[in-house]
Amino acid sequence: NAGVMQNPRHLVRRRGQEARLRCSPMKGHSHVYWYRQLPEEGLKFMVYLQKENIIDESGMPKERFSAEFPKEGPSILRIQQVVRGDSAAYFCASSPRASGGPSYNEQFFGPGTRLTVL
Amino acid sequence: AQKITQTQPGMFVQEKEAVTLDCTYDTSDPSYGLFWYKQPSSGEMIFLIYQGSYDQQNATEGRYSLNFQKARKSANLVISASQLGDSAMYFCAMREGQGNTGKLIFGQGTTLQVKP
Repeated sequence: NAGVMQNPRHLVRRRGQEARLRCSPMKGHSHVYWYRQLPEEGLKFMVYLQKENIIDESGMPKERFSAEFPKEGPSILRIQQVVRGDSAAYFCASSPRASGGPSYNEQFFGPGTRLTVL
Repeated sequence: AQKITQTQPGMFVQEKEAVTLDCTYDTSDPSYGLFWYKQPSSGEMIFLIYQGSYDQQNATEGRYSLNFQKARKSANLVISASQLGDSAMYFCAMREGQGNTGKLIFGQGTTLQVKP
């Protein structure tokens, strides 16, 4: 039973190019979360998606960033016109359901994509 | 306002000793969950332990235990009998309850180094 898969693991882009990060959740999981980890910092929530729907994008920068989770295929985090400040590790996590608060509902993390913008 | 605070940027511990990593949190929500993750130098996020706000007992998972003090809003991670492989970054995270979508709020992390 494969875990959460992310590709590529490392991505190098020049300023102004586009970056596409892919996340395939665990089998049977229809909830996907994207987090960003800047150097020497903790993870910061970006966006939460269910199949074909963006549920919470409160952590997404207003410009250049978008995310989707189509009915078929992986979730995609897209960064247009990348800048040096976008250099970070981007983690995807999946869960079989969404529930807040105290109910145990682990998010399974992928290995991350390390984006370097030259 | 910082919701999760880890005040120890770095910690050292002697192999086979126990170590406590601090975490305090801030929420007005009575329903929440607290998590600890380990991030080794390879970069992946490894789930360690979970504590729900209504759990009566402190969570334990093998050598990991969570010292949950609700009134003080602290959720410290205790690692017993440290091993060299425990050297890593450790993150405390919180998930709030009502109306929440399940997103996690992470602290800044604590780097633990285990000395032989």
